[in-house]
Amino acid sequence: AQKVTQAQTEISVVEKEDVTLDCVYETRDTTYYLFWYKQPPSGELVFLIRRNSFDEQNEISGRYSWNFQKSTSSFNFTITASQVVDSAVYFCALIDSNYQLIWGAGTKLIIKP
Amino acid sequence: ETGVTQSPTHLIKTRGQQVTLRCSSQSGHNTVSWYQQALGQGPQFIFQYYREEENGRGNFPPRFSGLQFPNYSSELNVNALELDDSALYLCASSLGTGEAKNIQYFGAGTRLSVL
Repeated sequence: AQKVTQAQTEISVVEKEDVTLDCVYETRDTTYYLFWYKQPPSGELVFLIRRNSFDEQNEISGRYSWNFQKSTSSFNFTITASQVVDSAVYFCALIDSNYQLIWGAGTKLIIKP
Repeated sequence: ETGVTQSPTHLIKTRGQQVTLRCSSQSGHNTVSWYQQALGQGPQFIFQYYREEENGRGNFPPRFSGLQFPNYSSELNVNALELDDSALYLCASSLGTGEAKNIQYFGAGTRLSVL
């Protein structure tokens, strides 16, 4: 079965701290895609990144970076020098062979000034 | 701004009523997916439409139905509303279903309250 687990329900840090959000997935597919989305209080899910299962290169985009490790079925997301505007719920998701997104339960990130 | 618009933004209905939610996809996108998100949870896949045909369905009863129009906009209909249907309903559009086109862009959602 396809499954995405985000074990951290809520994380609270002080602004400028680095924070890592964990994501562990299960799939039988050999080809799959993983995603991270951000959901601010407004409710709209904002696409952050997509990673192909064949591409294990880590990616950096500004203060955001992603660590994909197939050996541990993990796709973790790190925010460096966090800012108050980063406060949101972050979702990790897996797309299955039917092109349906399977979502984790989300991690609520609170950045305190 | 993703270019995906949903209407209405909020809706209040009573148990047993029917509701229609609407979604306009991003220009050039032929695939629309619908999700239900209960408070404090991740989205749950309802169904997907690709070029006006249903292309997959999640674990939702038949009283959840949909439609996609030739301009690729879409509707989600829910009959015989139940209290548990209260949720945020999200629509997402994508370029297609192929591996290179599977990034889904979301609208702001419709908040449905069933009393």
